[in-house]
Amino acid sequence: QKEVEQDPGPLSVPEGAIVSLNCTYSNSAFQYFMWYRQYSRKGPELLMYTYSSGNKEDGRFTAQVDKSSKYISLFIRDSQPSDSATYLCPLSGGYNKLIFGAGTRLAVHP
Amino acid sequence: GAVVSQHPSWVICKSGTSVKIECRSLDFQATTMFWYRQFPKQSLMLMATSNEGSKATYEQGVEKDKFLINHASLTLSTLTVTSAHPEDSSFYICSARDMSGYYEQYFGPGTRLTVT
Repeated sequence: QKEVEQDPGPLSVPEGAIVSLNCTYSNSAFQYFMWYRQYSRKGPELLMYTYSSGNKEDGRFTAQVDKSSKYISLFIRDSQPSDSATYLCPLSGGYNKLIFGAGTRLAVHP
Repeated sequence: GAVVSQHPSWVICKSGTSVKIECRSLDFQATTMFWYRQFPKQSLMLMATSNEGSKATYEQGVEKDKFLINHASLTLSTLTVTSAHPEDSSFYICSARDMSGYYEQYFGPGTRLTVT
């Protein structure tokens, strides 16, 4: 079982839709959760990070963590074509390492 | 804030030559930097962890004599691909952890290496 599981997609939605991106993880030792966005041929960009269960909001983005279920989500409201990218939910491993899943490709079409 | 740069952004080299890639944290200090490689449509693969003033820690399967890492200051780490071969062609990305932060890492824009 992979440590971080993500549906690779692609997920295709119309502009303005609410997008839900999800990750599950297997190791309950993970305590710090992040979401990155990566455009094609670019480095990942940090969107949000949190270390507690519950919701964290930043503009159109809401990160949700459920440690009991080992399930994390990123919601994007009023999605825009510029949100089309791959979304990564690495978890913090030992020695400051980040453990990456496959990433979910999102396509928002006008 | 939290900007990481990489240089060059794209490099083409001949097989057998060496290539150096620089990673700089521009507005914060980073005791720890990381080097990843990424193949098309795949996720990031951690190659090594670079700590300022000490030897890098390489992931299993990564040849330390081929991928030389130097972290000489709190804002600069370099990756040198020695005796490059076409199979080394990839997208190399560095990241840096802000000393004042937790586990989040800030990534550079990446370097595309093509070995002919």
